[in-house]
Amino acid sequence: GAVVSQHPSRVICKSGTSVKIECRSLDFQATTMFWYRQFPKQSLMLMATSNEGSKATYEQGVEKDKFLINHASLTLSTLTVTSAHPEDSSFYICSAHLAGGPDTQYFGPGTRLTVL
Amino acid sequence: KQEVTQIPAALSVPEGENLVLNCSFTDSAIYNLQWFRQDPGKGLTSLLLIQSSQREQTSGRLNASLDKSSGRSTLYIAASQPGDSATYLCAVPSSGTYKYIFGTGTRLKVLA
Repeated sequence: GAVVSQHPSRVICKSGTSVKIECRSLDFQATTMFWYRQFPKQSLMLMATSNEGSKATYEQGVEKDKFLINHASLTLSTLTVTSAHPEDSSFYICSAHLAGGPDTQYFGPGTRLTVL
Repeated sequence: KQEVTQIPAALSVPEGENLVLNCSFTDSAIYNLQWFRQDPGKGLTSLLLIQSSQREQTSGRLNASLDKSSGRSTLYIAASQPGDSATYLCAVPSSGTYKYIFGTGTRLKVLA
């Protein structure tokens, strides 16, 4: 149980285009999801907290207009990287907190974004 | 502000050795600590979750300990194998939230 999926697993796009990444909790409801970014050989950095039915909360230094987050249901959160540039190339990982469950997060497999 | 540090940053050992990875955190008011494994280019695999009321957790050859008062956790790997080669990350929630703050990671290489 407690499986989180991400789609796509890998995406390559041209500079200036927008890319949407989906994060789904497959067998549980998640009122809160988190989006992390990991640059090569670095640790994970939290980007934003996604709450179902309300606006996402962004960490300091993360542009909310560039990284659009939508948490439309208890099992789906999407991250859209708008007008992507090469410096946005990174590994994006989501996690989900099981509503009413233990105090832990379940992580997705990640999405590798490469912007040419 | 919670900060998490892991030592060593990299470790290379021969197969069969027992080893210890260290994690330290600055704010001891945590409700749990989690250890993860990350293979190159892959996502995270949860290894062990220690609640604040616990002192250690064991899973197979892995044993994680937690000392909240000193802000430290260790991950002990017994009889290391080449398949253990990966990056090991520890993470703790940011004060009063569910947001995880990750350590810098330890890159482990076990030589056959």
